[in-house]
Amino acid sequence: NAGVTQTPKFQVLKTGQSMTLQCAQDMNHEYMSWYRQDPGMGLRLIHYSVGAGITDQGEVPNGYNVSRSTTEDFPLRLLSAAPSQTSVYFCASSYLGQQGHNEQFFGPGTRLTVL
Amino acid sequence: DQQVKQNSPSLSVQEGRISILNCDYTNSMFDYFLWYKKYPAEGPTFLISISSIKDKNEDGRFTVFLNKSAKHLSLHIVPSQPGDSAVYFCAATPRRGNEKLTFGTGTRLTIIP
Repeated sequence: NAGVTQTPKFQVLKTGQSMTLQCAQDMNHEYMSWYRQDPGMGLRLIHYSVGAGITDQGEVPNGYNVSRSTTEDFPLRLLSAAPSQTSVYFCASSYLGQQGHNEQFFGPGTRLTVL
Repeated sequence: DQQVKQNSPSLSVQEGRISILNCDYTNSMFDYFLWYKKYPAEGPTFLISISSIKDKNEDGRFTVFLNKSAKHLSLHIVPSQPGDSAVYFCAATPRRGNEKLTFGTGTRLTIIP
């Protein structure tokens, strides 16, 4: 199993450009999510999904769109990049258990710089 | 408002000694707590967790303690090894099967050989 994969590893954008960060998992996990990590702020939840066709907003959703057409893929779209979106982005996935508390597996991250 | 707080940004410990990382939370709805370890240029990896119905959970060299009345948890690593040098994040989720993690800001642990 490859686990959670993210592409690209690095990206530089100009203000106003759009792009899609890719995330895929091969563990048949129902739950997938996107976090951003900024210095001194830990990881903050952007969007999440509990299954194909179902997405919801996290703590910091503004400026980002997601969709979940398959169990495996959960892309994150930046509609019009801003310097405030310079960050490291992590995708994560897990099962949805009866108690709902399951280990989340994280991808290696995408480092995004917006100029 | 930071609901999960790790007040020590960094910690240095001699190899072989005990490392104690602390975490405080403010949201009484949090029901399940996790520790993640992160190396540079990698994603966080799950280390250990504890449910609010317990006050202690052990896994090898790692033990997590939960004090619900004080809204405080701690991670003990004994003995500390050089490979433990990493950033440690505390995270919490609310009740009833909510997978959404709220993370602390992290503590950078350095093990001195």
